Amino acid sequence: AQSVTQLGSHVSVSEGALVLLRCNYSSSVPPYLFWYVQYPNQGLQLLLKYTTGATLVKGINGFEAEFKKSETSFHLTKPSAHMSDAAEYFCAVSTGTASKLTFGTGTRLQVTL
Amino acid sequence: NAGVTQTPKFQVLKTGQSMTLQCAQDMNHNSMYWYRQDPGMGLRLIYYSASEGTTDKGEVPNGYNVSRLNKREFSLRLESAAPSQTSVYFCASRVQTWGASGGEQYFGPGTRLTVT
Repeated sequence: AQSVTQLGSHVSVSEGALVLLRCNYSSSVPPYLFWYVQYPNQGLQLLLKYTTGATLVKGINGFEAEFKKSETSFHLTKPSAHMSDAAEYFCAVSTGTASKLTFGTGTRLQVTL
Repeated sequence: NAGVTQTPKFQVLKTGQSMTLQCAQDMNHNSMYWYRQDPGMGLRLIYYSASEGTTDKGEVPNGYNVSRLNKREFSLRLESAAPSQTSVYFCASRVQTWGASGGEQYFGPGTRLTVT
């Protein structure tokens, strides 16, 4: 069975600062990894995904994540935070032919002036 | 192209009442899913349908039933609502990929359900 751990339920950064949201996974088979973003009172929107190939994945809104198999990690980064990045971020792992997602508990990102 | 739609957006039920949450997608996806979201717990899978005509239990199926009405529609039914089912419910559908489970899921806007 797979699982996802997101370290830090709340992260606060200043506008223009580096954003780093941590995600570690556990999976008995090669994983497919996703980051989703949820703005208040909305559904989830895909930021980026890792399936196979290049381990550095670029997504929307300037976000990227690096798959590190040796560390079982898939941390999300953005060089310079913007006020509009304030939201909740979920890391998820998918395995199996039905592609069921297992989510982490989420990290709420606050961006301050 | 509306993507994934859900009705209703909000609902208040009394304990013991029943209701059906509706979900439809217009992206011709084979797989559909129902999740619930609770504070501090992320999203948890209730039921899913890998293809039209099939349904399977997820992580938290107790108290729920589902129907895959056709390829577009996947409904979630609460037969006898309980306060523990107060939550936000999300429906999703998945992009099909060949020979792999890497296709991403697309989510609806959610239904906020309160059971008193």
